Amino acid sequence: NAGVTQTPKFRILKIGQSMTLQCAQDMNHNYMYWYRQDPGMGLKLIYYSVGAGITDKGEVPNGYNVSRSTTEDFPLRLELAAPSQTSVYFCASSRALAGGADTQYFGPGTRLTVL
Amino acid sequence: AQSVAQPEDQVNVAEGNPLTVKCTYSVSGNPYLFWYVQYPNRGLQFLLKYITGDNLVKGSYGFEAEFNKSQTSFHLKKPSALVSDSALYFCAVREPGLTGGGNKLTFGTGTQLKVEL
Repeated sequence: NAGVTQTPKFRILKIGQSMTLQCAQDMNHNYMYWYRQDPGMGLKLIYYSVGAGITDKGEVPNGYNVSRSTTEDFPLRLELAAPSQTSVYFCASSRALAGGADTQYFGPGTRLTVL
Repeated sequence: AQSVAQPEDQVNVAEGNPLTVKCTYSVSGNPYLFWYVQYPNRGLQFLLKYITGDNLVKGSYGFEAEFNKSQTSFHLKKPSALVSDSALYFCAVREPGLTGGGNKLTFGTGTQLKVEL
């Protein structure tokens, strides 16, 4: 069981470039999430998905897009990268227990720098 | 709206001493509460959670947390700190029963724990 995997681990982008951060989980979890972590700010939710074909915005969705074509994969797309998107990005998944008692499990993160 | 506060940016403790990392929350009803730990350049690891029942929750690596409804707190504790406990700790809250929303968590800003010899 690999859990939640993310690629790449590190990436440097130039302003205006685009890229896709990959996330995959092998736990058959229905719910998946993308967060960004900035120093002293905790984690902010970018997008989440409750199942294949269903996604919704979180707290800070501007400048990002997601898709969920399979249960396993939840890629995050950055269009027209900006310095404000320099951050560490975490993907997470959970089993969607009734009543919301599920635990989210996190990937190792992608450190993105936009110059 | 659900929110959580970690009032201390950093906690310093000597190895072998007890440690406490503080967390307070705000939700409309009964909360689900979580603690995660993040070691340098790693993802978040789940430590423990409170859903219902006993107010004292035991988790991984000897950590425990006490749910206090009257004080709206969920402080993380360990009787005897180790240097290897040095890490960033996050408290998170979820308000159960919200329709839709994908069981979203709201995280605190994190507390850096430093355990010294």
